[in-house]
Amino acid sequence: GQNIDQPTEMTATEGAIVQINCTYQTSGFNGLFWYQQHAGEAPTFLSYNVLDGLEEKGRFSSFLSRSKGYSYLLLKELQMKDSASYLCAVILDQTGANNLFFGTGTRLTVIP
Amino acid sequence: DAGITQSPRYKITETGRQVTLMCHQTWSHSYMFWYRQDLGHGLRLIYYSAAADITDKGEVPDGYVVSRSKTENFPLTLESATRSQTSVYFCASRGTDNYGYTFGSGTRLTVV
Repeated sequence: GQNIDQPTEMTATEGAIVQINCTYQTSGFNGLFWYQQHAGEAPTFLSYNVLDGLEEKGRFSSFLSRSKGYSYLLLKELQMKDSASYLCAVILDQTGANNLFFGTGTRLTVIP
Repeated sequence: DAGITQSPRYKITETGRQVTLMCHQTWSHSYMFWYRQDLGHGLRLIYYSAAADITDKGEVPDGYVVSRSKTENFPLTLESATRSQTSVYFCASRGTDNYGYTFGSGTRLTVV
């Protein structure tokens, strides 16, 4: 079976740095996505990792270690608008469709 | 406007009724997906399609039917709605690379 683990909830202070971890055990792997989802809205793309290492994009960075089945999303200089759920998703290479398998998400609350 | 649109945005239906959720994309993406999102489960794949007239089951297909007669449309039908199908449904599409999974705004369905 497939499994992705993320913390359910996290709280951090405005201006701080927060790291959201994701561990996965899947039968296939063809890359990993991080999505942001505000309450009542659609998930929106944040990052994509297929090779080991760190990908940086502005205030957001994502790291992948395929050998450890581990990824994290790093958010710097937190802003109130970063309060949202963060979804880790693995691309399963079972078929050409490369379907996404999602974790249950981490709800981040940014406090003043 | 370019993008992916879902309709209706909200729907309340009675147990046993048939209901169809619509999804339309303007990018001519080959791949389209239907996910449902429930508390504690994250996003789960219902059905996906690799092209017109090609569809396949995902993780939770029971009780759902899909069709794809045109590339741009991918409707999801609940043939006889049950309360367990109360959920938020997201349609997504992507092109031929692994980037660019884009989600629609979602349909919140309540079965009473």
